[in-house]
Amino acid sequence: EAQVTQNPRYLITVTGKKLTVTCSQNMNHEYMSWYRQDPGLGLRQIYYSMNVEVTDKGDVPEGYKVSRKEKRNFPLILESPSPNQTSLYFCASSPLAGVPTDTQYFGPGTRLTVL
Amino acid sequence: DQQVKQNSPSLSVQEGRISILNCDYTNSMFDYFLWYKKYPAEGPTFLISISSIKDKNEDGRFTVFLNKSAKHLSLHIVPSQPGDSAVYFCAATVTGNQFYFGTGTSLTVIP
Repeated sequence: EAQVTQNPRYLITVTGKKLTVTCSQNMNHEYMSWYRQDPGLGLRQIYYSMNVEVTDKGDVPEGYKVSRKEKRNFPLILESPSPNQTSLYFCASSPLAGVPTDTQYFGPGTRLTVL
Repeated sequence: DQQVKQNSPSLSVQEGRISILNCDYTNSMFDYFLWYKKYPAEGPTFLISISSIKDKNEDGRFTVFLNKSAKHLSLHIVPSQPGDSAVYFCAATVTGNQFYFGTGTSLTVIP
């Protein structure tokens, strides 16, 4: 089944404890992206990747890191999480980069709470 | 600063009637617009899109209208069905890599 998977789905952590949220897609998609969803702010793009080893900042990249060493995986790294990073995170992928007509497929989300 | 705005956080409509969801944007460089639908505990799913060279795109019960001079787009759902109850996000892009989403409108279709 074609899908985008995220792990973990739920995570409660403490301020400053490094964490990684994994994202994997099995559709051989070129483009991948991370978003966060917050009440009253909607979805905001954190980082995106146009291909292996090619990443760029979205609208709200501060406090996050990403890497794209393999086409299928695009982990989101919080080196020193803070409470303002408490949010619902979504990973998405689409077949090609730079093609707005390509549909983005979203993962199920990761609910992160930073205490 | 929010470049894509949805000013109505919620909307309730009777089953069978028309639902109209609105979206405004500020960046005149946006050339492609999309609507996504989101159910609770799931990721958003693509619904319909429109290029800036068009002013209307239709797909079954869903129609998106674009008014470039007003920097406004709207999604019409006719007829509305209870299964349409969800949060709807509009989104815009210039490059097809960086996307700007609105704050979402929660639609409730009352049977």
